[in-house]
Amino acid sequence: KNEVEQSPQNLTAQEGEFITINCSYSVGISALHWLQQHPGGGIVSLFMLSSGKKKHGRLIATINIQEKHSSLHITASHPRDSAVYICVPTGNQFYFGTGTSLTVIP
Amino acid sequence: KAGVTQTPRYLIKTRGQQVTLSCSPISGHRSVSWYQQTPGQGLQFLFEYFSETQRNKGNFPGRFSGRQFSNSRSEMNVSTLELGDSALYLCASSLDIPGMNTEAFFGQGTRLTVV
Repeated sequence: KNEVEQSPQNLTAQEGEFITINCSYSVGISALHWLQQHPGGGIVSLFMLSSGKKKHGRLIATINIQEKHSSLHITASHPRDSAVYICVPTGNQFYFGTGTSLTVIP
Repeated sequence: KAGVTQTPRYLIKTRGQQVTLSCSPISGHRSVSWYQQTPGQGLQFLFEYFSETQRNKGNFPGRFSGRQFSNSRSEMNVSTLELGDSALYLCASSLDIPGMNTEAFFGQGTRLTVV
């Protein structure tokens, strides 16, 4: 049984669309990271949150600790948002989701 | 301030050889953790070091080992390389151990190819 489930696995969107990526987990955590990985491998930490909601530019992340669920939203998507987005519930170690591959078409 | 630095970025080794990868964390960060990323398995946790002590270890064979130095730099070693060890190896640094609600910062990774 996977400890972290992300959906969808793959997502293609038109530029300007609103995008939602979901993450459900079964482990006990104190925080959750959302990571962005571009082709070539480099990983950037987008958010770390332990409750509520955080916003950074066009990106919004929410978490409901009781329901063990987090979402990442991208408003007004752009081709440069094309990347793999990885949900990482964090307890005494990082638990990695399999990632959501997003392609934004101009 | 400088980010997490991993060296080398790319590496090609032959089956049976051993390899050492290096990770320099952000200055002041004491926790360094290592991950293997393969197309089939995604990101998997290898081990985590905090103040020179291994605090957690993932489910990998003993051929995978690591250590952390007093300046928090960490190395991981893979002995008797197998074709299946070909992967992107990532390290992450944070102020404190994961679970202490501290943000993690990732390096660019070392892409290892075993031929």
